[in-house]
Amino acid sequence: KNEVEQSPQNLTAQEGEFITINCSYSVGISALHWLQQHPGGGIVSLFMLSSGKKKHGRLIATINIQEKHSSLHITASHPRDSAVYICAVEDYGGATNKLIFGTGTLLAVQP
Amino acid sequence: DAGVIQSPRHEVTEMGQEVTLRCKPISGHDYLFWYRQTMMRGLELLIYFNNNVPIDDSGMPEDRFSAKMPNASFSTLKIQPSEPRDSAVYFCASSTGGVRRTGELFFGEGSRLTVL
Repeated sequence: KNEVEQSPQNLTAQEGEFITINCSYSVGISALHWLQQHPGGGIVSLFMLSSGKKKHGRLIATINIQEKHSSLHITASHPRDSAVYICAVEDYGGATNKLIFGTGTLLAVQP
Repeated sequence: DAGVIQSPRHEVTEMGQEVTLRCKPISGHDYLFWYRQTMMRGLELLIYFNNNVPIDDSGMPEDRFSAKMPNASFSTLKIQPSEPRDSAVYFCASSTGGVRRTGELFFGEGSRLTVL
């Protein structure tokens, strides 16, 4: 079993829909990252959070430390949101600054 | 700031050749990370530096891989000799992390390596 699991693995939505991507992890963490990667492109850090909720534009990230779960929400989705979204955690018990990555969620938003 | 700059963006080489990937981190960032991304294994940390010193290289696949950071503004990842299984996208990232904290990562555009 992977230490970081994302769901769904693939998601297709219509433009304007509200989207939720989930991330569950099994280790104690000091922080959780959400990353975005466009096809053939680089990786962009969307959020880094250790508690509560953060919002940036149409993107919202929440985390529940007790339940070891985080969600990434996209409101009023747009085709330009089509990308792979990757959850990664910093293992609190880890000896070094290593991130444990999920396998990613491929999102396609159709016009 | 120009962000993290990597070169080359694409490299195609033949098995056995030496490959050197380059990275310029964001000025002021004291952590630099080298990641490799493949379809099979996703993103993997190869090595990271703090203040130009290699801290953890346990992710480096084997002795064919080496990385250096001679100063705060430049790092290289070298593969010698290269093999087809080294084909991947190599990302460099930098941050102002702390002890056991990665910090917000800023990634370069990646170097796509193909070894024939």
